[in-house]
Amino acid sequence: DGGITQSPKYLFRKEGQNVTLSCEQNLNHDAMYWYRQDPGQGLRLIYYSQIVNDFQKGDIAEGYSVSREKKESFPLTVTSAQKNPTAFYLCASSLGTSGRAYNEQFFGPGTRLTVL
Amino acid sequence: QKEVEQNSGPLSVPEGAIASLNCTYSDRVSQSFFWYRQYSGKSPELIMSIYSNGDKEDGRFTAQLNKASQYVSLLIRDSQPSDSATYLCAVYNNNDMRFGAGTRLTVKP
Repeated sequence: DGGITQSPKYLFRKEGQNVTLSCEQNLNHDAMYWYRQDPGQGLRLIYYSQIVNDFQKGDIAEGYSVSREKKESFPLTVTSAQKNPTAFYLCASSLGTSGRAYNEQFFGPGTRLTVL
Repeated sequence: QKEVEQNSGPLSVPEGAIASLNCTYSDRVSQSFFWYRQYSGKSPELIMSIYSNGDKEDGRFTAQLNKASQYVSLLIRDSQPSDSATYLCAVYNNNDMRFGAGTRLTVKP
Protein backbone atom coordinates (compact mmCIF):
# COMPACT_ATOMS: atom_id res chain seq x y z
CA ASP A 1 0.00 0.00 0.00
CA GLY A 2 1.45 3.34 -1.05
CA GLY A 3 0.83 6.29 1.16
CA ILE A 4 1.84 8.65 3.91
CA THR A 5 1.77 7.64 7.54
CA GLN A 6 1.95 9.86 10.59
CA SER A 7 2.36 8.87 14.19
CA PRO A 8 1.14 9.17 16.78
CA LYS A 9 -2.47 10.03 15.99
CA TYR A 10 -2.84 11.89 19.29
CA LEU A 11 -0.05 13.42 21.36
CA PHE A 12 -0.06 15.23 24.66
CA ARG A 13 2.76 17.53 25.68
CA LYS A 14 3.59 19.01 29.02
CA GLU A 15 4.90 22.55 29.35
CA GLY A 16 8.63 22.77 28.57
CA GLN A 17 8.75 19.44 26.78
CA ASN A 18 9.99 18.73 23.27
CA VAL A 19 8.01 16.23 21.20
CA THR A 20 8.67 14.67 17.80
CA LEU A 21 6.00 13.86 15.22
CA SER A 22 6.76 11.16 12.70
CA CYS A 23 6.01 11.30 8.96
CA GLU A 24 6.89 8.50 6.54
CA GLN A 25 6.00 8.08 2.86
CA ASN A 26 6.53 5.23 0.42
CA LEU A 27 5.36 7.11 -2.67
CA ASN A 28 8.93 7.86 -3.81
CA HIS A 29 8.12 11.57 -3.57
CA ASP A 30 10.99 14.03 -3.46
CA ALA A 31 9.22 16.87 -1.64
CA MET A 32 7.71 16.76 1.84
CA TYR A 33 5.90 19.37 3.90
CA TRP A 34 4.66 20.09 7.39
CA TYR A 35 1.53 22.18 7.97
CA ARG A 36 -0.33 23.29 11.02
CA GLN A 37 -4.12 23.65 11.04
CA ASP A 38 -6.00 25.64 13.66
CA PRO A 39 -9.82 25.81 13.85
CA GLY A 40 -11.28 28.19 11.28
CA GLN A 41 -7.93 28.83 9.62
CA GLY A 42 -6.26 27.62 6.50
CA LEU A 43 -3.22 25.38 6.58
CA ARG A 44 -0.01 27.20 7.44
CA LEU A 45 3.36 25.93 6.25
CA ILE A 46 5.94 25.17 8.93
CA TYR A 47 8.80 23.60 6.95
CA TYR A 48 9.31 21.94 3.61
CA SER A 49 12.00 19.82 2.02
CA GLN A 50 12.59 19.37 -1.69
CA ILE A 51 15.43 16.88 -1.38
CA VAL A 52 17.26 14.79 1.19
CA ASN A 53 19.48 16.78 3.58
CA ASP A 54 17.85 20.06 2.60
CA PHE A 55 14.86 21.90 4.04
CA GLN A 56 13.43 25.40 4.10
CA LYS A 57 11.46 27.41 6.65
CA GLY A 58 7.82 28.14 5.95
CA ASP A 59 5.70 30.95 7.33
CA ILE A 60 5.63 29.78 10.95
CA ALA A 61 8.91 27.90 11.56
CA GLU A 62 9.69 29.47 14.95
CA GLY A 63 9.65 26.88 17.71
CA TYR A 64 9.85 23.94 15.29
CA SER A 65 12.71 21.91 13.82
CA VAL A 66 12.95 19.21 11.14
CA SER A 67 15.41 16.82 9.57
CA ARG A 68 15.47 15.00 6.22
CA GLU A 69 18.08 12.27 6.46
CA LYS A 70 16.13 9.84 4.30
CA LYS A 71 13.85 10.41 1.32
CA GLU A 72 11.02 8.55 3.04
CA SER A 73 11.11 10.36 6.38
CA PHE A 74 10.55 13.95 7.51
CA PRO A 75 10.10 14.17 11.31
CA LEU A 76 8.97 17.38 12.98
CA THR A 77 10.06 18.38 16.49
CA VAL A 78 7.89 20.81 18.41
CA THR A 79 10.20 22.48 20.89
CA SER A 80 9.43 24.19 24.17
CA ALA A 81 10.01 27.50 22.36
CA GLN A 82 6.69 27.02 20.53
CA LYS A 83 4.33 28.83 22.89
CA ASN A 84 1.02 27.72 21.44
CA PRO A 85 1.55 24.27 19.94
CA THR A 86 -1.96 22.86 20.35
CA ALA A 87 -3.10 22.17 16.77
CA PHE A 88 -3.65 19.55 14.09
CA TYR A 89 -0.34 18.79 12.35
CA LEU A 90 -0.40 17.56 8.77
CA CYS A 91 2.43 16.09 6.76
CA ALA A 92 2.22 16.10 2.97
CA SER A 93 4.35 15.01 0.05
CA SER A 94 4.56 15.67 -3.67
CA LEU A 95 6.56 14.28 -6.58
CA GLY A 96 8.59 17.46 -6.62
CA THR A 97 8.15 21.14 -7.11
CA SER A 98 8.68 21.50 -10.86
CA GLY A 99 5.93 20.89 -13.36
CA ARG A 100 2.20 20.90 -12.92
CA ALA A 101 1.35 17.45 -11.58
CA TYR A 102 4.57 17.44 -9.61
CA ASN A 103 3.20 19.96 -7.14
CA GLU A 104 0.02 18.04 -6.25
CA GLN A 105 0.32 17.48 -2.52
CA PHE A 106 -1.03 14.42 -0.75
CA PHE A 107 -1.61 14.41 2.98
CA GLY A 108 -1.06 11.94 5.78
CA PRO A 109 -3.78 11.32 8.40
CA GLY A 110 -2.44 13.97 10.79
CA THR A 111 -1.35 14.19 14.42
CA ARG A 112 -3.44 16.08 16.95
CA LEU A 113 -1.17 17.69 19.55
CA THR A 114 -2.51 19.00 22.82
CA VAL A 115 -0.58 20.86 25.49
CA LEU A 116 -1.53 19.90 29.03
CA GLN B 1 0.90 38.55 1.75
CA LYS B 2 -0.57 36.20 -0.81
CA GLU B 3 -4.18 35.49 0.06
CA VAL B 4 -6.69 32.81 -0.81
CA GLU B 5 -10.23 33.72 0.17
CA GLN B 6 -13.23 31.46 0.56
CA ASN B 7 -16.67 31.99 2.01
CA SER B 8 -16.58 30.06 5.28
CA GLY B 9 -20.21 29.02 4.99
CA PRO B 10 -21.89 26.95 6.05
CA LEU B 11 -23.34 26.30 2.62
CA SER B 12 -26.41 24.13 2.79
CA VAL B 13 -27.95 22.43 -0.25
CA PRO B 14 -30.61 19.73 -0.59
CA GLU B 15 -29.65 16.28 -1.80
CA GLY B 16 -29.52 16.14 -5.59
CA ALA B 17 -28.85 19.86 -6.03
CA ILE B 18 -25.74 21.54 -7.40
CA ALA B 19 -23.33 22.90 -4.81
CA SER B 20 -21.19 25.83 -5.93
CA LEU B 21 -18.02 26.67 -4.01
CA ASN B 22 -15.97 29.75 -4.78
CA CYS B 23 -12.41 30.92 -4.20
CA THR B 24 -10.49 34.07 -5.07
CA TYR B 25 -6.74 34.57 -4.89
CA SER B 26 -4.47 37.58 -4.85
CA ASP B 27 -1.27 36.34 -6.55
CA ARG B 28 -1.84 37.11 -10.20
CA VAL B 29 0.93 34.79 -11.43
CA SER B 30 -0.36 31.67 -9.67
CA GLN B 31 0.14 28.58 -11.77
CA SER B 32 -1.80 25.68 -10.29
CA PHE B 33 -5.08 25.38 -8.45
CA PHE B 34 -6.44 22.59 -6.29
CA TRP B 35 -9.55 21.60 -4.42
CA TYR B 36 -9.31 19.43 -1.33
CA ARG B 37 -12.14 17.82 0.64
CA GLN B 38 -11.71 17.53 4.39
CA TYR B 39 -14.10 15.54 6.54
CA SER B 40 -14.40 16.56 10.19
CA GLY B 41 -11.38 15.35 12.15
CA LYS B 42 -9.63 13.99 9.05
CA SER B 43 -6.88 15.19 6.75
CA PRO B 44 -7.47 16.92 3.38
CA GLU B 45 -7.99 14.74 0.32
CA LEU B 46 -7.15 16.05 -3.16
CA ILE B 47 -10.21 15.90 -5.40
CA MET B 48 -9.44 18.25 -8.32
CA SER B 49 -6.48 19.99 -9.94
CA ILE B 50 -6.80 22.65 -12.64
CA TYR B 51 -4.07 24.51 -14.46
CA SER B 52 -5.66 26.25 -17.46
CA ASN B 53 -8.55 28.63 -17.90
CA GLY B 54 -11.90 26.96 -18.43
CA ASP B 55 -13.66 23.94 -17.03
CA LYS B 56 -12.36 20.55 -15.97
CA GLU B 57 -14.82 17.78 -15.23
CA ASP B 58 -14.29 14.62 -13.19
CA GLY B 59 -17.41 12.64 -12.43
CA ARG B 60 -19.80 14.82 -10.44
CA PHE B 61 -17.13 17.48 -9.90
CA THR B 62 -16.33 20.40 -12.20
CA ALA B 63 -13.56 22.88 -11.49
CA GLN B 64 -13.66 26.24 -13.21
CA LEU B 65 -10.72 28.62 -13.52
CA ASN B 66 -10.68 32.25 -14.63
CA LYS B 67 -7.17 33.66 -14.24
CA ALA B 68 -8.15 37.13 -15.46
CA SER B 69 -10.63 37.42 -12.60
CA GLN B 70 -8.37 35.44 -10.21
CA TYR B 71 -11.24 33.14 -9.47
CA VAL B 72 -11.59 29.38 -9.18
CA SER B 73 -14.73 27.45 -8.37
CA LEU B 74 -15.89 23.91 -7.72
CA LEU B 75 -19.31 22.62 -8.74
CA ILE B 76 -20.68 19.42 -7.27
CA ARG B 77 -23.59 17.99 -9.25
CA ASP B 78 -26.19 15.66 -7.75
CA SER B 79 -24.94 16.47 -4.25
CA GLN B 80 -25.05 13.60 -1.76
CA PRO B 81 -25.03 13.65 2.06
CA SER B 82 -21.59 12.04 1.83
CA ASP B 83 -20.34 15.26 0.17
CA SER B 84 -20.88 17.09 3.47
CA ALA B 85 -17.39 18.29 4.39
CA THR B 86 -15.14 21.35 4.35
CA TYR B 87 -13.69 22.14 0.93
CA LEU B 88 -10.27 23.80 0.81
CA CYS B 89 -9.05 25.82 -2.13
CA ALA B 90 -5.27 25.83 -2.67
CA VAL B 91 -3.22 27.98 -5.01
CA TYR B 92 0.38 27.21 -6.03
CA ASN B 93 3.14 29.38 -7.45
CA ASN B 94 6.89 28.91 -7.40
CA ASN B 95 7.28 26.51 -4.49
CA ASP B 96 4.59 28.28 -2.49
CA MET B 97 1.20 26.63 -1.84
CA ARG B 98 -1.46 28.78 -0.15
CA PHE B 99 -4.66 27.41 1.32
CA GLY B 100 -7.97 29.08 1.97
CA ALA B 101 -9.70 28.56 5.31
CA GLY B 102 -12.32 26.39 3.63
CA THR B 103 -16.06 26.37 2.98
CA ARG B 104 -18.19 24.03 5.04
CA LEU B 105 -20.80 22.26 2.91
CA THR B 106 -23.83 20.47 4.30
CA VAL B 107 -25.99 18.35 2.00
CA LYS B 108 -29.39 17.70 3.55
CA PRO B 109 -31.25 14.46 2.71
